[in-house]
Amino acid sequence: SQKIEQNSEALNIQEGKTATLTCNYTNYSPAYLQWYRQDPGRGPVFLLLIRENEKEKRKERLKVTFDTTLKQSLFHITASQPADSATYLCALDMRSGYSTLTFGKGTMLLVSP
Amino acid sequence: ETGVTQSPTHLIKTRGQQVTLRCSSQSGHNTVSWYQQALGQGPQFIFQYYREEENGRGNFPPRFSGLQFPNYSSELNVNALELDDSALYLCASSTRTGLNTGELFFGEGSRLTVL
Repeated sequence: SQKIEQNSEALNIQEGKTATLTCNYTNYSPAYLQWYRQDPGRGPVFLLLIRENEKEKRKERLKVTFDTTLKQSLFHITASQPADSATYLCALDMRSGYSTLTFGKGTMLLVSP
Repeated sequence: ETGVTQSPTHLIKTRGQQVTLRCSSQSGHNTVSWYQQALGQGPQFIFQYYREEENGRGNFPPRFSGLQFPNYSSELNVNALELDDSALYLCASSTRTGLNTGELFFGEGSRLTVL
Protein backbone atom coordinates (compact mmCIF):
# COMPACT_ATOMS: atom_id res chain seq x y z
CA SER A 1 0.00 0.00 0.00
CA GLN A 2 1.04 3.61 -0.48
CA LYS A 3 2.46 5.34 2.54
CA ILE A 4 4.09 8.66 3.48
CA GLU A 5 5.95 8.64 6.76
CA GLN A 6 7.19 11.55 8.80
CA ASN A 7 8.68 11.45 12.29
CA SER A 8 5.64 11.06 14.53
CA GLU A 9 7.43 12.33 17.61
CA ALA A 10 8.11 16.02 18.06
CA LEU A 11 11.63 17.19 17.32
CA ASN A 12 13.10 19.34 20.09
CA ILE A 13 16.22 21.38 19.35
CA GLN A 14 18.01 24.40 20.73
CA GLU A 15 18.04 27.76 19.04
CA GLY A 16 20.87 28.12 16.56
CA LYS A 17 21.10 24.41 15.73
CA THR A 18 20.10 22.80 12.45
CA ALA A 19 16.77 20.96 12.42
CA THR A 20 16.47 17.99 10.05
CA LEU A 21 13.06 16.52 9.27
CA THR A 22 12.53 13.30 7.32
CA CYS A 23 9.87 12.27 4.83
CA ASN A 24 9.87 8.68 3.53
CA TYR A 25 7.40 7.28 1.05
CA THR A 26 6.60 3.87 -0.40
CA ASN A 27 4.81 2.81 -3.58
CA TYR A 28 4.67 6.31 -4.97
CA SER A 29 6.38 7.90 -7.97
CA PRO A 30 5.86 11.60 -7.34
CA ALA A 31 6.51 14.26 -9.92
CA TYR A 32 7.05 16.84 -7.18
CA LEU A 33 7.62 16.88 -3.46
CA GLN A 34 6.61 19.89 -1.41
CA TRP A 35 7.07 21.06 2.17
CA TYR A 36 4.56 23.16 4.09
CA ARG A 37 4.53 24.77 7.49
CA GLN A 38 1.39 24.71 9.63
CA ASP A 39 0.79 26.64 12.83
CA PRO A 40 -1.95 25.49 15.26
CA GLY A 41 -5.42 26.26 13.96
CA ARG A 42 -4.09 27.77 10.72
CA GLY A 43 -3.87 26.61 7.12
CA PRO A 44 -0.60 25.19 5.75
CA VAL A 45 1.86 27.64 4.20
CA PHE A 46 4.01 26.63 1.23
CA LEU A 47 7.77 26.59 1.83
CA LEU A 48 9.62 24.72 -0.91
CA LEU A 49 9.01 22.52 -3.93
CA ILE A 50 11.49 20.10 -5.48
CA ARG A 51 11.04 18.21 -8.72
CA GLU A 52 11.86 14.54 -9.30
CA ASN A 53 14.91 15.43 -11.40
CA GLU A 54 16.34 17.80 -8.77
CA LYS A 55 18.57 16.68 -5.90
CA GLU A 56 18.57 19.76 -3.73
CA LYS A 57 16.78 23.11 -3.37
CA ARG A 58 17.57 26.03 -1.08
CA LYS A 59 15.71 29.10 0.10
CA GLU A 60 17.30 31.32 2.72
CA ARG A 61 17.75 29.10 5.83
CA LEU A 62 15.82 26.20 4.30
CA LYS A 63 17.19 23.29 2.31
CA VAL A 64 15.38 20.30 0.83
CA THR A 65 16.89 17.17 -0.67
CA PHE A 66 15.05 14.57 -2.72
CA ASP A 67 16.38 11.06 -3.29
CA THR A 68 14.02 9.13 -5.57
CA THR A 69 16.12 5.97 -5.19
CA LEU A 70 15.83 5.97 -1.40
CA LYS A 71 12.31 7.44 -1.69
CA GLN A 72 13.19 10.04 0.87
CA SER A 73 13.27 13.79 1.33
CA LEU A 74 15.15 15.64 4.04
CA PHE A 75 14.16 19.14 5.13
CA HIS A 76 16.74 21.25 6.93
CA ILE A 77 16.36 24.53 8.81
CA THR A 78 19.73 26.05 9.66
CA ALA A 79 20.29 28.52 12.51
CA SER A 80 16.85 27.61 13.88
CA GLN A 81 14.84 30.15 15.85
CA PRO A 82 11.92 29.79 18.30
CA ALA A 83 9.71 31.31 15.59
CA ASP A 84 10.42 28.20 13.47
CA SER A 85 8.41 26.11 15.96
CA ALA A 86 5.49 24.62 14.00
CA THR A 87 4.35 21.42 12.30
CA TYR A 88 6.04 20.70 8.99
CA LEU A 89 4.17 18.72 6.37
CA CYS A 90 5.62 16.78 3.48
CA ALA A 91 3.40 16.41 0.40
CA LEU A 92 3.71 14.42 -2.80
CA ASP A 93 2.28 15.55 -6.12
CA MET A 94 1.65 12.63 -8.44
CA ARG A 95 0.51 14.55 -11.47
CA SER A 96 2.89 17.17 -12.75
CA GLY A 97 1.26 20.57 -12.50
CA TYR A 98 -2.10 19.40 -11.14
CA SER A 99 -1.31 20.07 -7.48
CA THR A 100 -3.37 17.16 -6.14
CA LEU A 101 -1.25 16.59 -3.09
CA THR A 102 -0.96 13.62 -0.77
CA PHE A 103 0.25 14.77 2.65
CA GLY A 104 2.10 13.07 5.46
CA LYS A 105 0.94 13.54 9.05
CA GLY A 106 3.60 16.13 9.72
CA THR A 107 6.35 16.53 12.29
CA MET A 108 6.15 19.07 15.09
CA LEU A 109 9.34 21.08 15.56
CA LEU A 110 9.99 22.82 18.87
CA VAL A 111 12.91 25.26 19.04
CA SER A 112 13.83 26.35 22.53
CA PRO A 113 15.74 29.57 23.32
CA GLU B 1 -1.82 36.18 4.01
CA THR B 2 -2.56 34.00 0.97
CA GLY B 3 -5.62 35.87 -0.25
CA VAL B 4 -7.76 32.73 0.12
CA THR B 5 -10.75 33.30 2.37
CA GLN B 6 -13.06 30.69 3.84
CA SER B 7 -16.37 30.91 5.66
CA PRO B 8 -17.60 30.15 8.17
CA THR B 9 -14.53 29.78 10.37
CA HIS B 10 -16.30 27.56 12.91
CA LEU B 11 -19.60 25.73 12.91
CA ILE B 12 -21.39 23.02 14.83
CA LYS B 13 -23.86 20.59 13.28
CA THR B 14 -25.63 17.44 14.35
CA ARG B 15 -25.51 14.03 12.71
CA GLY B 16 -27.63 13.76 9.59
CA GLN B 17 -27.57 17.49 8.82
CA GLN B 18 -26.08 19.10 5.75
CA VAL B 19 -23.37 21.76 5.59
CA THR B 20 -22.04 24.17 2.96
CA LEU B 21 -18.58 25.67 3.24
CA ARG B 22 -17.41 28.54 1.05
CA CYS B 23 -14.09 29.62 -0.39
CA SER B 24 -12.85 32.63 -2.34
CA SER B 25 -9.67 31.86 -4.19
CA GLN B 26 -6.66 34.11 -4.63
CA SER B 27 -6.95 36.60 -7.46
CA GLY B 28 -5.78 35.09 -10.74
CA HIS B 29 -6.08 31.48 -9.58
CA ASN B 30 -8.33 29.21 -11.64
CA THR B 31 -8.10 25.98 -9.63
CA VAL B 32 -9.58 25.20 -6.23
CA SER B 33 -8.90 22.12 -4.14
CA TRP B 34 -10.54 20.99 -0.92
CA TYR B 35 -8.86 19.05 1.85
CA GLN B 36 -10.07 17.52 5.09
CA GLN B 37 -7.73 17.56 8.08
CA ALA B 38 -8.68 15.51 11.14
CA LEU B 39 -6.97 16.28 14.44
CA GLY B 40 -3.36 15.11 14.44
CA GLN B 41 -3.44 14.10 10.77
CA GLY B 42 -2.23 15.61 7.54
CA PRO B 43 -4.71 17.13 5.07
CA GLN B 44 -6.58 14.56 2.94
CA PHE B 45 -7.47 15.48 -0.65
CA ILE B 46 -11.23 15.59 -1.25
CA PHE B 47 -11.49 16.98 -4.79
CA GLN B 48 -10.30 19.67 -7.15
CA TYR B 49 -12.17 22.02 -9.48
CA TYR B 50 -10.77 23.58 -12.61
CA ARG B 51 -12.88 25.84 -14.81
CA GLU B 52 -16.05 24.83 -12.96
CA GLU B 53 -15.57 21.09 -13.46
CA GLU B 54 -14.41 18.47 -11.01
CA ASN B 55 -10.90 17.46 -11.93
CA GLY B 56 -9.73 14.74 -9.60
CA ARG B 57 -11.26 13.25 -6.48
CA GLY B 58 -9.84 11.56 -3.41
CA ASN B 59 -11.30 8.65 -1.48
CA PHE B 60 -14.44 10.40 -0.25
CA PRO B 61 -18.06 9.24 -0.67
CA PRO B 62 -20.54 10.98 -3.00
CA ARG B 63 -22.15 12.84 -0.07
CA PHE B 64 -19.14 15.15 -0.38
CA SER B 65 -19.83 17.37 -3.37
CA GLY B 66 -18.70 20.71 -4.64
CA LEU B 67 -19.10 23.57 -7.05
CA GLN B 68 -16.86 26.12 -8.65
CA PHE B 69 -18.33 29.37 -9.92
CA PRO B 70 -17.29 31.51 -12.92
CA ASN B 71 -15.34 33.83 -10.59
CA TYR B 72 -13.44 30.71 -9.40
CA SER B 73 -14.90 30.78 -5.90
CA SER B 74 -16.08 27.41 -4.64
CA GLU B 75 -18.38 25.55 -2.28
CA LEU B 76 -18.02 22.24 -0.48
CA ASN B 77 -21.25 20.50 0.46
CA VAL B 78 -21.49 17.56 2.82
CA ASN B 79 -24.77 15.71 3.22
CA ALA B 80 -25.89 13.30 5.95
CA LEU B 81 -23.16 14.40 8.33
CA GLU B 82 -21.41 11.77 10.42
CA LEU B 83 -19.39 12.18 13.60
CA ASP B 84 -16.18 11.37 11.68
CA ASP B 85 -16.76 14.37 9.45
CA SER B 86 -15.60 16.56 12.33
CA ALA B 87 -12.42 18.16 11.00
CA LEU B 88 -10.76 21.27 9.66
CA TYR B 89 -11.78 21.77 6.03
CA LEU B 90 -9.17 23.56 3.99
CA CYS B 91 -9.57 25.25 0.67
CA ALA B 92 -6.51 25.81 -1.49
CA SER B 93 -6.18 27.75 -4.70
CA SER B 94 -3.60 27.42 -7.43
CA THR B 95 -3.16 28.31 -11.04
CA ARG B 96 -2.75 25.95 -13.92
CA THR B 97 -0.62 27.44 -16.66
CA GLY B 98 2.48 26.42 -18.51
CA LEU B 99 4.49 27.91 -15.67
CA ASN B 100 2.53 26.17 -12.90
CA THR B 101 4.82 25.45 -10.01
CA GLY B 102 2.25 23.28 -8.29
CA GLU B 103 2.27 25.10 -4.98
CA LEU B 104 -1.01 25.55 -3.13
CA PHE B 105 -2.23 28.64 -1.32
CA PHE B 106 -4.40 27.59 1.61
CA GLY B 107 -7.09 29.44 3.48
CA GLU B 108 -7.31 29.30 7.24
CA GLY B 109 -9.97 26.62 7.14
CA SER B 110 -13.47 25.97 8.43
CA ARG B 111 -13.60 24.01 11.67
CA LEU B 112 -16.63 21.67 11.57
CA THR B 113 -17.83 19.87 14.68
CA VAL B 114 -20.51 17.20 14.29
CA LEU B 115 -22.37 16.23 17.45
